[in-house]
Amino acid sequence: AQSVTQPDIHITVSEGASLELRCNYSYGATPYLFWYVQSPGQGLQLLLKYFSGDTLVQGIKGFEAEFKRSQSSFNLRKPSVHWSDAAEYFCAVAHGSGNTGKLIFGQGTTLQVKP
Amino acid sequence: DGGITQSPKYLFRKEGQNVTLSCEQNLNHDAMYWYRQDPGQGLRLIYYSQIVNDFQKGDIAEGYSVSREKKESFPLTVTSAQKNPTAFYLCASSITGGRGEAFFGQGTRLTVV
Repeated sequence: AQSVTQPDIHITVSEGASLELRCNYSYGATPYLFWYVQSPGQGLQLLLKYFSGDTLVQGIKGFEAEFKRSQSSFNLRKPSVHWSDAAEYFCAVAHGSGNTGKLIFGQGTTLQVKP
Repeated sequence: DGGITQSPKYLFRKEGQNVTLSCEQNLNHDAMYWYRQDPGQGLRLIYYSQIVNDFQKGDIAEGYSVSREKKESFPLTVTSAQKNPTAFYLCASSITGGRGEAFFGQGTRLTVV
């Protein structure tokens, strides 16, 4: 069965420091991969997506992610974190025959930013 | 502006009651989804619909029901059979035949009192 794992439940970084959030997936075919961000009590906003092609994808708010097939990973990075980046981050993979668009989500990583 | 509207934002249910959560979209998307979010568990799929008058169960459909009478609307009913309904519920939509890029509403927090 397909699955997504985010090994880090909670991460704290200092403002201005670099960030990397880990995501590993289990999927037989080439996956469609996503990172979403959620502020408390809000819906999810798409940060970036990977379908095919260049394995380094750029997203909104200065985020990027790299797809590594050999490691089954899709880690999210940002060179310099801002206090406003504090939120919960979800990695997700699209699955299902016939491309139903259903998403499987990881458990989420909560990012805290220290001043 | 196009988007997904969920209502109400907060909902309280007494034991044994059915409640209905509203989800409306004006993105002209064919596919719509309901997810349940619990702390530390990510999002889990309850039901999804790829076309009007058709829907399929997701991973945790027991105790829930849906309808899809209009393209724009996909209401979710939490029935009394759902033993642990307190959660945050998120509605999403996407293009049918797309690649899973989903747009989400702002969510409804349901609490049993």
